[in-house]
Amino acid sequence: RKEVEQDPGPFNVPEGATVAFNCTYSNSASQSFFWYRQDCRKEPKLLMSVYSSGNEDGRFTAQLNRASQYISLLIRDSKLSDSATYLCVVTSEGMTTDSWGKLQFGAGTQVVVTP
Amino acid sequence: DGGITQSPKYLFRKEGQNVTLSCEQNLNHDAMYWYRQDPGQGLRLIYYSQIVNDFQKGDIAEGYSVSREKKESFPLTVTSAQKNPTAFYLCASTDGVQPQHFGDGTRLSIL
Repeated sequence: RKEVEQDPGPFNVPEGATVAFNCTYSNSASQSFFWYRQDCRKEPKLLMSVYSSGNEDGRFTAQLNRASQYISLLIRDSKLSDSATYLCVVTSEGMTTDSWGKLQFGAGTQVVVTP
Repeated sequence: DGGITQSPKYLFRKEGQNVTLSCEQNLNHDAMYWYRQDPGQGLRLIYYSQIVNDFQKGDIAEGYSVSREKKESFPLTVTSAQKNPTAFYLCASTDGVQPQHFGDGTRLSIL
C-alpha cells in the first residue's frame, strides 16, 4: 500500500463551481501535512499547509481528519487558473531539518476547470 | 531575487554516459534535496544533504551520486548504472522551518 494515496482524477469542474478531493495517508504517526500545486511540466509550488483545526486561504480550504487519516482540499468559485495537479504531501517526523527530507508525496489529483 | 536555479532545463544522455544536473540556491538554506518524478507517480527522494560535505541516500539512490562542497550547490550525477534515467528531476531546499521550495526542474531523456 502506498504511504500517500490520491484519486488521480481528472476532476472536471465548471468555472465558478466547487470541487473537493481527499488524500489518505497510511502512517498514523504523520505530523505535518501540505498541499502543493503543480502545473503541467512545472515544479510543485506550496499551496498551503494543513493545520489540525482546518484552515482557509481565500477560496481554498484544507481539512485534516486524523481519526480516518485523510486530508482534504476544497476549492470554491473555481477559476480557469485553478486547473493543475494538486499534490498531497505528508511528513512523518517532527519539525526538524531531517524531517523535511522525509516528505511523502502523493501522485496528485488533476483538476480541470472548464469555461 | 532569491530562489533555486536548476540547469539545464533539458538534457539528453547517451548510452554509457554520466551526466550532471546542476542545482544552485541563494536562499541560505542548509538542507537540499533531489527528487525524481515519473508520470503518474509521486516525487521520490534520491539524495538529500543537511549540511556542507554531508549527504544521505534517499529511497532510490542507486545509479546516482551527489556532492555538497558548498552550501549553495548540490549537483546530481546520473551515472551509466542508472538504467532508466528518463524522468523529471527536481531540486528542493529548506531552512528546516518552512516546507521545501523547488527549482524549476530538469527533464532528462535518453538518446
